[in-house]
Amino acid sequence: KQEVTQIPAALSVPEGENLVLNCSFTDSAIYNLQWFRQDPGKGLTSLLLIQSSQREQTSGRLNASLDKSSGRSTLYIAASQPGDSATYLCAFANAGGTSYGKLTFGQGTILTVHP
Amino acid sequence: NAGVTQTPKFRVLKTGQSMTLLCAQDMNHEYMYWYRQDPGMGLRLIHYSVGEGTTAKGEVPDGYNVSRLKKQNFLLGLESAAPSQTSVYFCASRTRDREETQYFGPGTRLLVL
Repeated sequence: KQEVTQIPAALSVPEGENLVLNCSFTDSAIYNLQWFRQDPGKGLTSLLLIQSSQREQTSGRLNASLDKSSGRSTLYIAASQPGDSATYLCAFANAGGTSYGKLTFGQGTILTVHP
Repeated sequence: NAGVTQTPKFRVLKTGQSMTLLCAQDMNHEYMYWYRQDPGMGLRLIHYSVGEGTTAKGEVPDGYNVSRLKKQNFLLGLESAAPSQTSVYFCASRTRDREETQYFGPGTRLLVL
């Protein structure tokens, strides 16, 4: 069974800092990895999706990497802003024809960027 | 496009009462999912559907039933609510394309007293 762990559980940084969020997983038979953002009281918004054959994806100030051999993914946020404050969740879709895109989520990292 | 919508936004139930949560999507997605989110537990899959008229159990299905009579709607039912079902419920949908992401609704906050 896939288990996903996110470290740290919470992170507080000053504006402008570069930061890294970590996600580890136990089963390397994944189809893809996704990073989501969740604002308080809201649903999830997809940030980046990395296929298992890829090593990284970039979108603006965000860069996500995937290392299946070590069972790790990182989300790098450059030049953080107060608007980046949210909970960030990683999730994995397992490989296999009957997976139907079901996702296994980590517990999330609560990020606070203060001015 | 409204995307994925959920009804109601918030509900308070007494133990033993029943209710139905409605999820609707206007993106013509084949796959739909119900998750629950609890503090420190992340999101866990309750049930999912890969097409109209089909449903399957996820990780935590006990105490819930689902139906997908129309492609655009996915209903989650609680027949006899328990305090352990106090949670935030999220619906999501996706195409059959395995390289696509899931699109989430805004959630339903349920409190069972």
